[in-house]
Amino acid sequence: ETGVTQTPRHLVMGMTNKKSLKCEQHLGHNAMYWYKQSAKKPLELMFVYSLEERVENNSVPSRFSPECPNSSHLFLHLHTLQPEDSALYLCASSQDPGGSGANVLTFGAGSRLTVL
Amino acid sequence: GQNIDQPTEMTATEGAIVQINCTYQTSGFNGLFWYQQHAGEAPTFLSYNVLDGLEEKGRFSSFLSRSKGYSYLLLKELQMKDSASYLCAVRDSNYQLIWGAGTKLIIKP
Repeated sequence: ETGVTQTPRHLVMGMTNKKSLKCEQHLGHNAMYWYKQSAKKPLELMFVYSLEERVENNSVPSRFSPECPNSSHLFLHLHTLQPEDSALYLCASSQDPGGSGANVLTFGAGSRLTVL
Repeated sequence: GQNIDQPTEMTATEGAIVQINCTYQTSGFNGLFWYQQHAGEAPTFLSYNVLDGLEEKGRFSSFLSRSKGYSYLLLKELQMKDSASYLCAVRDSNYQLIWGAGTKLIIKP
């Protein structure tokens, strides 16, 4: 399997539930990202990991908790979410977390989250 | 603040040419990207511009003018499969990606 794989593709949860989103990349990349995509809004960067260390946390509420156990896997743990957290959550990877050159992001297809 | 502007939606005819504009105001510039996103799918990389001018890649071309804070994506010989959202993103002086809200392109027969 190649590319970036996200599971589940769809998730419906209540505000008191705890769930996790999973991302796996088979590209040998060193950086992994979580983005939030809401309708008609720009992509919002949530977290960046470089070689399993978190290098960025863009003021994301603590009800979102990332985990990167190794360079191929990334999780987003969700608890006590709000209805406004309903969105598409995209995982991406790249060779490096920043730097010069194209450093293209490869995205997964996303996890569509609905919070009731 | 930093800002990327692109039209919300555009409509074009199969076989025609369409130009999607992107203007930006960012803290510095370290490259501009275009991504394509079909409904329900992952965004995929289309082009990268860091110097002024036109980059051509098959039916798709991307243009950059750094002095004007302006780019466009040109799609020729439109096909129905080109119906998608097109995302413009600029990497600023801190190497952070600033994203536009995307342009939804509708292709009609």
